[in-house]
Amino acid sequence: DSGVTQTPKHLITATGQRVTLRCSPRSGDLSVYWYQQSLDQGLQFLIQYYNGEERAKGNILERFSAQQFPDLHSELNLSSLELGDSALYFCASNRGGGPNEQFFGPGTRLTVL
Amino acid sequence: KNQVEQSPQSLIILEGKNCTLQCNYTVSPFSNLRWYKQDTGRGPVSLTIMTFSENTKSNGRYTATLDADTKQSSLHITASQLSDSASYICVVIRRENTDKLIFGTGTRLQVFP
Repeated sequence: DSGVTQTPKHLITATGQRVTLRCSPRSGDLSVYWYQQSLDQGLQFLIQYYNGEERAKGNILERFSAQQFPDLHSELNLSSLELGDSALYFCASNRGGGPNEQFFGPGTRLTVL
Repeated sequence: KNQVEQSPQSLIILEGKNCTLQCNYTVSPFSNLRWYKQDTGRGPVSLTIMTFSENTKSNGRYTATLDADTKQSSLHITASQLSDSASYICVVIRRENTDKLIFGTGTRLQVFP
């Protein structure tokens, strides 16, 4: 158990809909990272937040957005969903500010029908 | 372009046998290299972290090597067990942005009895 929690575990929705994925980092961690892993593909970095502020952006679509709240939990919002958005979405956390190991949550499996 | 390539893509071995997974990278400037184990449908878990000056690092039956001159790393698994069946992901971190992980697409290992 990494100490990072993600909800929900599974999510099934229809095209065009909007969903919110939630992540609680390990206690004491200030940085949260979001990743997407499509079937049989590598992890793609989406976005990073550090202590409430956006720190780095990766291959995140304009239809996706994220935020980190004062209690340091983070939410990833996916809108106008398409079939190709079906994937595992992972959240990771660490103290931030350097090459510290990232601890990954169990992931949320999103299925868009 | 900063890339991480892994080989083989997939590997099947018998329980008790050894195997070696390869990782070649073009990431520069280099900060550190990590090997992660990812069980199907779960978040990656760190196995080893190696900096520029480290040639080898062990974690139980897992031994990682790094040749920073040729930009190659390997992960050797000794006396494989059924529980070693997973994807093994090589991750490289650039010195200029130590928060951003560059993932390889992984090697899927299956261990059969």
